[in-house]
Amino acid sequence: DAGVTQSPTHLIKTRGQQVTLRCSPKSGHDTVSWYQQALGQGPQFIFQYYEEEERQRGNFPDRFSGHQFPNYSSELNVNALLLGDSALYLCASSRRGGGLYGYTFGSGTRLTVV
Amino acid sequence: AQSVTQPDIHITVSEGASLELRCNYSYGATPYLFWYVQSPGQGLQLLLKYFSGDTLVQGIKGFEAEFKRSQSSFNLRKPSVHWSDAAEYFCAITRGSQGNLIFGKGTKLSVKP
Repeated sequence: DAGVTQSPTHLIKTRGQQVTLRCSPKSGHDTVSWYQQALGQGPQFIFQYYEEEERQRGNFPDRFSGHQFPNYSSELNVNALLLGDSALYLCASSRRGGGLYGYTFGSGTRLTVV
Repeated sequence: AQSVTQPDIHITVSEGASLELRCNYSYGATPYLFWYVQSPGQGLQLLLKYFSGDTLVQGIKGFEAEFKRSQSSFNLRKPSVHWSDAAEYFCAITRGSQGNLIFGKGTKLSVKP
């Protein structure tokens, strides 16, 4: 049973560029959440998608946007990259009501902005 | 606002010794409580979770945690640490079943041989 798959695993971008990160949820899961983990910090919630709509959003600027596809996979887009966007981006999938059933995390995408 | 505090940034224990990692939360009611472990460069693996009922919960890899409402705490314990337990440990809460995870800053565990 495949878990959560994220791609790419690493990438380097230049300040001001745009980036797209991808996530395939665990089989049977319909909800995808994205988290940003800066070095030495705990993950911070970015947003959550369910039924192809953004359902919850954390304290992140509009430069961060997302999408969920009919097959439940998801993309995270970040525009106008800043040096401070360098972090590990984690995708977590769950069944609706993840707090009850639990979240499964992918291994993350390490983004470096130079 | 909801928050999670892990007072210990880094803990070192000897292999075979017992372990307790502290977690305190701030929330108006009883949240859903979680402990996750993260190995270097990896994602997060769920160790255990608490929603209600028995306040002592058992998890994977021999870990357990105790919920103490009066102290707003959810400390993680293991009676005998193995070298493979060296990792970073995160305590997290959600506001009910629909809420997003709110994490503490983590505790890094080192294990001495």
